[in-house]
Amino acid sequence: KQEVTQIPAALSVPEGENLVLNCSFTDSAIYNLQWFRQDPGKGLTSLLLIQSSQREQTSGRLNASLDKSSGRSTLYIAASQPGDSATYLCAVSSGGSNYKLTFGKGTLLTVNP
Amino acid sequence: DAGVIQSPRHEVTEMGQEVTLRCKPISGHDYLFWYRQTMMRGLELLIYFNNNVPIDDSGMPEDRFSAKMPNASFSTLKIQPSEPRDSAVYFCASSLGLLIEQFFGPGTRLTVL
Repeated sequence: KQEVTQIPAALSVPEGENLVLNCSFTDSAIYNLQWFRQDPGKGLTSLLLIQSSQREQTSGRLNASLDKSSGRSTLYIAASQPGDSATYLCAVSSGGSNYKLTFGKGTLLTVNP
Repeated sequence: DAGVIQSPRHEVTEMGQEVTLRCKPISGHDYLFWYRQTMMRGLELLIYFNNNVPIDDSGMPEDRFSAKMPNASFSTLKIQPSEPRDSAVYFCASSLGLLIEQFFGPGTRLTVL
């Protein structure tokens, strides 16, 4: 059974700092990995999707990396801003014929002005 | 497009009552997913549909839960009878394909007293 773990559970940083969020998964037989953002009381917004054959994806100040063999992914946020404050969730697609999108419990990020 | 639409946004009911959650996916999306989010278990996939046909309902917790998709623009998740442990946020998401970006609705916060 696929399990996804995110560390740390919460992170507080001053504005302008670069930061890294971590995600690990137990079964390396994945199709892809996605990073989502969730704001309080809102749904999830997809930030980046990395296919299993890729090593990284970039969008603006965000960079996500994937090391499938070691079961790890990181989300790097450059020059953090208060508007980046949210919960960040990692999810992996796996399961062969029994598709599953398995989520981590997220990292609550607070960027202080 | 208005995105994925869910109703109601909040539902408070008493134990034993029937609850129906509704979802309108993004037009043209062939896949529709129902998720449940709790503090203890995080986000869990309950069931997903492809072209209105349920493909995998192995995530549905009990027979009290049922989901239908009578047409491409409407789906329901029903709980009958509801129990306090069903209290959670229920999300609907849709996508063009199984292994690509999913678009989430704002969720329905269900409280069963």
